[in-house]
Amino acid sequence: GQQLNQSPQSMFIQEGEDVSMNCTSSSIFNTWLWYKQDPGEGPVLLIALYKAGELTSNGRLTAQFGITRKDSFLNISASIPSDVGIYFCAAPKTSYDKVIFGPGTSLSVIP
Amino acid sequence: EPEVTQTPSHQVTQMGQEVILRCVPISNHLYFYWYRQILGQKVEFLVSFYNNEISEKSEIFDDQFSVERPDGSNFTLKIRSTKLEDSAMYFCASSEQGQPGNTIYFGEGSWLTVV
Repeated sequence: GQQLNQSPQSMFIQEGEDVSMNCTSSSIFNTWLWYKQDPGEGPVLLIALYKAGELTSNGRLTAQFGITRKDSFLNISASIPSDVGIYFCAAPKTSYDKVIFGPGTSLSVIP
Repeated sequence: EPEVTQTPSHQVTQMGQEVILRCVPISNHLYFYWYRQILGQKVEFLVSFYNNEISEKSEIFDDQFSVERPDGSNFTLKIRSTKLEDSAMYFCASSEQGQPGNTIYFGEGSWLTVV
């Protein structure tokens, strides 16, 4: 079935460094979503992408919708300690009403 | 900013007991969802609900699960006879329109522990 893959699985970076993570699939999607989850809390939407090739920013975060519609990238510039958490990509299944999630990328920021 | 609210935030229950998790979706949203996240794993879709009926459900959502919108504001998930493997964080979510293309907003979750 449709499945999302994320890499890397986890990252340990120094404060101030830039971060890059990606999400891939063998299926085509028309929307890509990036969520962040803090421990014990629900996923919070960071960026939504609706068009192939689209590049969208939200503060220090930038995400791109891949041209092939099979991937998406999330970049975080100048990381800070509060960036710590799990970043999930997600995409709506084409058959309506169901959003599937990737396994997540766990980010740790060392002060 | 409007948000999805869930109660309880944490519940411990004995195996075999019934559990009801409650959610108040964002007020102008029409589509409602339940997702589940087992500790350390990814978020998994359970069910979507629109116009007072289930629009889609996953293989996880078996006969032990049911959803209801008992009034104009609440959306509930009932687990009829809990099993140990039902221990997870359950997230309610809502969206203004259906998928694809419309974003889903999540509540903070209800952590269920079955002992």
